[in-house]
Amino acid sequence: EPEVTQTPSHQVTQMGQEVILRCVPISNHLYFYWYRQILGQKVEFLVSFYNNEISEKSEIFDDQFSVERPDGSNFTLKIRSTKLEDSAMYFCASIGQVVNSPLHFGNGTRLTVT
Amino acid sequence: DQQVKQNSPSLSVQEGRISILNCDYTNSMFDYFLWYKKYPAEGPTFLISISSIKDKNEDGRFTVFLNKSAKHLSLHIVPSQPGDSAVYFCAAKGSGGSNYKLTFGKGTLLTVNP
Repeated sequence: EPEVTQTPSHQVTQMGQEVILRCVPISNHLYFYWYRQILGQKVEFLVSFYNNEISEKSEIFDDQFSVERPDGSNFTLKIRSTKLEDSAMYFCASIGQVVNSPLHFGNGTRLTVT
Repeated sequence: DQQVKQNSPSLSVQEGRISILNCDYTNSMFDYFLWYKKYPAEGPTFLISISSIKDKNEDGRFTVFLNKSAKHLSLHIVPSQPGDSAVYFCAAKGSGGSNYKLTFGKGTLLTVNP
């Protein structure tokens, strides 16, 4: 069964550094998402992306965050200047059609900001 | 702003018995509800869903019930197996638009004891 794949599985970075989290969504999917889960808290929506542009973003997704689909397969989340509170699991998800279909999630990237 | 609430952080059940996981929501615009299962170090895995036009959906050992008037849904697992031990997230999607933003509850840790 096709999967959403994320790399790296664990990223450690120093506060203030830029980090790029990478995702390869399922190949025929058209809608892409990033979610995050801070340890012990719920899974939170960050941003949705369709047709090469952001379609919705949450309050968490401030100017330090950006997303890009640089080619036909990758979908990246960039955090420009990481903060301690950015430490979390970041999940990429994709879906082929919007109407009442489940999101497929990757296994996540654990980001640790020191 | 907890639009989706899972009030039980944990549940412990004996193997072979029924597990009942509960979820409440406040947003009447939600029209599609999903349950995800999550193991440590993995992403959420879709389990079962229900549209707001139904009150029950069954898939093998898993049944989801929706009570729209009470804004309540539940997941029944019967018979429960030790491999079902995981965190279960309830999620909901609003109606309309081209986006597919899921709002998650905080999760319930299910432990099935042999």
